Amino acid sequence: DTAVSQTPKYLVTQMGNDKSIKCEQNLGHDTMYWYKQDSKKFLKIMFSYNNKELIINETVPNRFSPKSPDKAHLNLHINSLELGDSAVYFCASSPLGANVLTFGAGSRLTVL
Amino acid sequence: DAKTTQPTSMDCAEGRAANLPCNHSTISGNEYVYWYRQIHSQGPQYIIHGLKNNETNEMASLIITEDRKSSTLILPHATLRDTAVYYCIVRPSNTGNQFYFGTGTSLTVIP
Repeated sequence: DTAVSQTPKYLVTQMGNDKSIKCEQNLGHDTMYWYKQDSKKFLKIMFSYNNKELIINETVPNRFSPKSPDKAHLNLHINSLELGDSAVYFCASSPLGANVLTFGAGSRLTVL
Repeated sequence: DAKTTQPTSMDCAEGRAANLPCNHSTISGNEYVYWYRQIHSQGPQYIIHGLKNNETNEMASLIITEDRKSSTLILPHATLRDTAVYYCIVRPSNTGNQFYFGTGTSLTVIP
């Protein structure tokens, strides 16, 4: 009964590859997010979707393309992976206009 | 951008109260103070938030100074499982939900 679930938990891949991370929430929330946490532990928002519509895009390279097939899912596709993309990616969700984010457990991406 | 200042790290003895300070001297009238924590290898977890009154829930208490320029998160009886990075965030209630995390305070609870 995990509230926000991400897959895969670990992903190791070569530079130049394309990969996806999936996120699903069963909380009935309207808004979903992707955050990136780098090796220095800075947690930065990347994207926010509200009912399948993009509402925040924080200067993320266009190699990153979020896709929300419905309001319970927000997937992150990354093209042409670079070494600097290595990080832990966290998905989160919240009710519309609410003040509390519920985070997933994270997906650790390692680019070799 | 983070608008808060927190100590980099703190220690607390198990069973004692952990008091985590946060400075937010440029806080605006419509900005709330939020606290999240991140236990190692887990996603951040919401703890508590407040505007100007002190708040308490089952996890912690939040004390906000009268001028709202600083606040303190209190874990009344710290346990080893409270070892985590604690983030203090200020954010208006109507900004579409983006939270900007700073560097936080790494709290270590010592047996």
